[in-house]
Order: sequence, then structure tokens, then C-alpha cells
Amino acid sequence: DAGITQSPRYKITETGRQVTLMCHQTWSHSYMFWYRQDLGHGLRLIYYSAAADITDKGEVPDGYVVSRSKTENFPLTLESATRSQTSVYFCASSDERGGPGTDTQYFGPGTRLTVL
Amino acid sequence: SQQGEEDPQALSIQEGENATMNCSYKTSINNLQWYRQNSGRGLVHLILIRSNEREKHSGRLRVTLDTSKKSSSLLITASRAADTASYFCATAPFGGFKTIFGAGTRLFVKA
Repeated sequence: DAGITQSPRYKITETGRQVTLMCHQTWSHSYMFWYRQDLGHGLRLIYYSAAADITDKGEVPDGYVVSRSKTENFPLTLESATRSQTSVYFCASSDERGGPGTDTQYFGPGTRLTVL
Repeated sequence: SQQGEEDPQALSIQEGENATMNCSYKTSINNLQWYRQNSGRGLVHLILIRSNEREKHSGRLRVTLDTSKKSSSLLITASRAADTASYFCATAPFGGFKTIFGAGTRLFVKA
């Protein structure tokens, strides 16, 4: 049972390049989330998705684009990477049967992104 | 600003001692969750406590919730070196739609 996976695990890129981080879950959870984790800030929500083709902004969405054509995949794209987007990115999924924020979130292992 | 804020930011104890971490939040919530993160790994869910619950146990973990004070505590009894990790509280604001994480407490258990 793979659960939730992220790829790549590590990525180094240059300012201005486009980068896509992948997230895949095998539970058929309806909700999926992208967070970034920076020292002193904990986890901050970038985008979330309630179902295929339904996405919404979180706390820090600027500079990021998401899509969800299939329930199991939720890629995050940095259209033109900046140094301030150097961070660790976590994907999570959840059933949220009672609505957003009502259920446990299951996290992937993270992607460490460095923008030079 | 963060909805949930943990206290202390860091805690160092000896193996076998109890560890207590606190979380304060600002608005009414549906539930509060505690997660653990080992270095370089993703977060792992520990306990979810709903707004109408006051205390919950899971193995060596005890979580309390005081909605009047907008605070929660996580107690780890008889700590082990393997408990060394960062612990995060996460709140789901009532009427809101996003779980909000605090900055975490770093726990170090010395063998």
C-alpha cells in the first residue's frame, strides 16, 4: 500500500524556471493539500482541492498553480521559480467526510526544493 | 499570524520523564489535532480531539482541550529517545475550511 508519494524528493533549480512537484495518493481521498514548511512558520497552506477539477487558494498561493484532473494526482507548479520559494513542500490527503478540517490529514514525505 | 501556537518552542528532557507541550489558538474550532514530525520526514497524525471533548488518550499520549481558554496540551508519559521529534498542533476553525498548523515544539529526549 503506497499511500501518498511525492516526486522528486529533492530538486535544485534556477530562478525563473518552471518546476512541477508531483503528488499521488492511492486512498481515493477526496481532499488534497499542498503546504510549504519554512523555519519559524510551521506549515502554510498553498492550495487545496476538494475533488477532481475543484481547487482553491490557501494562505500563500502567489506564484503557484495547481490542477487536479484525476482524484489521485495533485501536481503543484511554480511557473517562474524565485529564491523565496526555496522550501520543503508537503502534499497531504484526507477524507474530510464531515467537511474541510474535520478529519486526519495524511502527509507525503516531502520535496526539498532549492531555487538558486 | 498562526491560529495555533505551541509552547515551548523547544523542550529537552531525560528518557523516562514526562513531556508537556501546549497549544493556544485564537478562534472557535471544530477540532484540534496533534501531529509529529521526525527530522526530514512528513507529519504523522497522533490524535484528533473534537470541540465537545475535553480529554483523549492514545497509548502514552494524553491530550486535553479547554475551549474556554482556547488551549490544548499534549502530554507524553514515560518518554523515550524515539519520541525526539517536532510536535505540531493543527486547528480547524469553526465555520472555516482549512486546517491551520502552528510552528511546532521541538522535543529532544536524552537517553
